[in-house]
Amino acid sequence: SQQGEEDPQALSIQEGENATMNCSYKTSINNLQWYRQNSGRGLVHLILIRSNEREKHSGRLRVTLDTSKKSSSLLITASRAADTASYFCATDSWRDSNYQLIWGAGTKLIIKP
Amino acid sequence: EAGVTQSPTHLIKTRGQQATLRCSPISGHTSVYWYQQALGLGLQFLLWYDEGEERNRGNFPPRFSGRQFPNYSSELNVNALELEDSALYLCASSLQGAREQYFGPGTRLTVT
Repeated sequence: SQQGEEDPQALSIQEGENATMNCSYKTSINNLQWYRQNSGRGLVHLILIRSNEREKHSGRLRVTLDTSKKSSSLLITASRAADTASYFCATDSWRDSNYQLIWGAGTKLIIKP
Repeated sequence: EAGVTQSPTHLIKTRGQQATLRCSPISGHTSVYWYQQALGLGLQFLLWYDEGEERNRGNFPPRFSGRQFPNYSSELNVNALELEDSALYLCASSLQGAREQYFGPGTRLTVT
């Protein structure tokens, strides 16, 4: 079952604009990660935010985490055509001492030149 | 530093056949993860290997199996292929205990 759910499912914006994607999850977490996937290929890790952090920056990326609302957002500023990709959030899940990442269905981002 | 590699890139099989997918992790990484990604969907966790042992498996039938070799490379086997097994199979590796995973380019399996 999917823990993370991204919103919106798809987003199309003009180059230069900011893009915001949201992720909601159901159970308590240790940390939340965002990944990018280009053209149905392998995923690239973007950023990890721990449950005791509220905001984190990496270049043009800004991630926030609100554990009370069980949600996170990814903001990409000054978007570029190369940012066109699908973006996924992933959260830790521990069941019976077994660890796995639980993934959302992703947000497809299209940057129009 | 070489990234995670997977082979083959594409694999076309007939229903009922068996498929073997291979993954080589980044040097120094001992954990290997396998995921299934059906077209347009998120990743579904399949298997996690670390130090040669299966640490956890997702909600998949037993015909999905695998192993990890002493050099930490890994193999995913899918027996009695069904049409719905058609998907992109992604392998990822990580340092032991690390949360950040590094992904390979995937193997696209098509079952006809």
